[in-house]
Amino acid sequence: EAGVVQSPRYKIIEKKQPVAFWCNPISGHNTLYWYLQNLGQGPELLIRYENEEAVDDSQLPKDRFSAERLKGVDSTLKIQPAELGDSAVYLCASSLVAGRYNEQFFGPGTRLTVL
Amino acid sequence: SQKIEQNSEALNIQEGKTATLTCNYTNYSPAYLQWYRQDPGRGPVFLLLIRENEKEKRKERLKVTFDTTLKQSLFHITASQPADSATYLCAGGGGYNKLIFGAGTRLAVHP
Repeated sequence: EAGVVQSPRYKIIEKKQPVAFWCNPISGHNTLYWYLQNLGQGPELLIRYENEEAVDDSQLPKDRFSAERLKGVDSTLKIQPAELGDSAVYLCASSLVAGRYNEQFFGPGTRLTVL
Repeated sequence: SQKIEQNSEALNIQEGKTATLTCNYTNYSPAYLQWYRQDPGRGPVFLLLIRENEKEKRKERLKVTFDTTLKQSLFHITASQPADSATYLCAGGGGYNKLIFGAGTRLAVHP
């Protein structure tokens, strides 16, 4: 069974440029998460989707970040414009349903460097 | 704010010994705790889940405890091997499957 797929794996951009990350969750997983992980820290939730609906985006900086999950399958996270402080690893995860106790399956992440 | 705290210092142990990692939570009471393993350059991988009404959970060489009085979980790896070297993340379950992660503890097992 294929795991969570993310692309690109690495991205280097200059500040003020836009950037987009793509995620394809495990087939059949209704819940999709985007996390941000800074060096030496644990993942921090940015947004959670139940099918097409963003049910928790309270931690998403909406002035520059946006996300979509059309058709309730794959998802895109965008930053426009990027700032130096956005350099981090962006992780996508999915789970079967959003109930309690369900483990989350993570992709390898996209490492973003903003110069 | 709700916090999950783990030892920031790396844990170095000898192969064959038991590794014990600590996770403390503050300002909330998680209904469950999950433990993940993360290798460099990779996403976290789920290892174990323990509910608040469970004292202990085991899986092969792994054991996790949940002490609601101390607000603490301990994660044990028995008969540790160099292949167990990684960062281990503790995550507290909040409402509706929202996870709050600790910063992780790096474990190094030396031959």
